[in-house]
Amino acid sequence: AQKITQTQPGMFVQEKEAVTLDCTYDTSDPSYGLFWYKQPSSGEMIFLIYQGSYDQQNATEGRYSLNFQKARKSANLVISASQLGDSAMYFCAMRDFDDYKLSFGAGTTVTVRA
Amino acid sequence: KAGVTQTPRYLIKTRGQQVTLSCSPISGHRSVSWYQQTPGQGLQFLFEYFSETQRNKGNFPGRFSGRQFSNSRSEMNVSTLELGDSALYLCASSSLQGDTEAFFGQGTRLTVV
Repeated sequence: AQKITQTQPGMFVQEKEAVTLDCTYDTSDPSYGLFWYKQPSSGEMIFLIYQGSYDQQNATEGRYSLNFQKARKSANLVISASQLGDSAMYFCAMRDFDDYKLSFGAGTTVTVRA
Repeated sequence: KAGVTQTPRYLIKTRGQQVTLSCSPISGHRSVSWYQQTPGQGLQFLFEYFSETQRNKGNFPGRFSGRQFSNSRSEMNVSTLELGDSALYLCASSSLQGDTEAFFGQGTRLTVV
């Protein structure tokens, strides 16, 4: 069974600063994918970034980067130069390639302060 | 390129009624999966369809069912609604199973009274 753990229920960050959101996962499958999503108050889940278990390099997408430490089963999201529009709930998710469903963590609420 | 479209956006139903939610995936995407999001349980997987076949099902009662049509559009049905079915229902679209991307729609917020 998969398990995703996000230990930070809520975080405050100053505008223009960087913030790291923690995510650890547990799986016995060698092939899996890790996703991060942003969910603003409107409810839509916005895809941010993906990391495959066999990817050698950490994924980056604009201001988002994923700090992937496979041995530690950790996939932290780093948001650089935070903006007020980054205030939202952030979810870490994993999909293994046996059943392909996404398993989500509990989420972290990020509030960006001006 | 249009995104994932879910209809309706909001729905209010009475206990005991049934409801059908619709999801139109991104053009060309063949995999559609459904999730229920509640404050207490978080995001939980309902089921996944690929090329009109249900490939995976989450741990939900049989009142929850779905289907996928030949154009990849998917519907989810909940019969005999209970108060606890009040939730945000999200569908995700991928081009292939196990794709490196999974795009979600805006969700349908169901309230059961």
